[in-house]
Amino acid sequence: QVHLVESGGGQVKPGGSLRLSCAASGFIFSGYYMSWIRQAPGKGLEWISYISGSNDTIYYADSVKGRITVSRDNAKNSLYLQMNALRPDDTAIYYCVRSDCGGDCPFEYWGQGTLVTVSS
Amino acid sequence: QSVLTQPPSVSGAPGQRVSISCTGSISNIGAPYDVHWYQQLPGTAPRLLIYNNIYRPSGVPDRFSASKSGTSASLAISGLQAGDEAEYYCQSYDENLIGWVFGGGTKVNVL
Repeated sequence: QVHLVESGGGQVKPGGSLRLSCAASGFIFSGYYMSWIRQAPGKGLEWISYISGSNDTIYYADSVKGRITVSRDNAKNSLYLQMNALRPDDTAIYYCVRSDCGGDCPFEYWGQGTLVTVSS
Repeated sequence: QSVLTQPPSVSGAPGQRVSISCTGSISNIGAPYDVHWYQQLPGTAPRLLIYNNIYRPSGVPDRFSASKSGTSASLAISGLQAGDEAEYYCQSYDENLIGWVFGGGTKVNVL
């Protein structure tokens, strides 16, 4: 069955960097579109990045554009999120999420999330 | 401020029916892009509850139903149970933002 496991979260100081990883299993990773969605403590869901299966289409939310880079290694069944210039309002649980396509497709499978805390 | 608007909370007694509205605009729900709904139980990751406006994934009880009209959508829960206490989010795609948008979430309270 589909399994998504995030790692790499932790506490970091403002201005610092962090790289999140998501290990995927149970499906042909290269055939699916992946997103990162985050949730600040006590707040709602916010989509922040998307990458197509073939790496040729990438989108970012305006709130993080210029500070994050999404990538994937289909040979390793892994998704990554490089986050730089972190701010306290980046504190959130970050979810790795799979969808069948871009646009209209739902976020069908979610990982359990990894917590990023930005604090001095 | 979320792009899609949901009421912060709704309440109902066990067995009752509650509904949650989700209001968007012509650049998302009204474009028309599909609406999807997610249930987030306390302390867990969201799970897909309704996709493509009206369809339930395997394993979701038929007590959950949804509809869409114009720039709005709604989720209904009938035969409310204690286990339905959760946060519910609507989601769509926005062609102006070139990204995916969520409602702010609605907490369902079972009295």
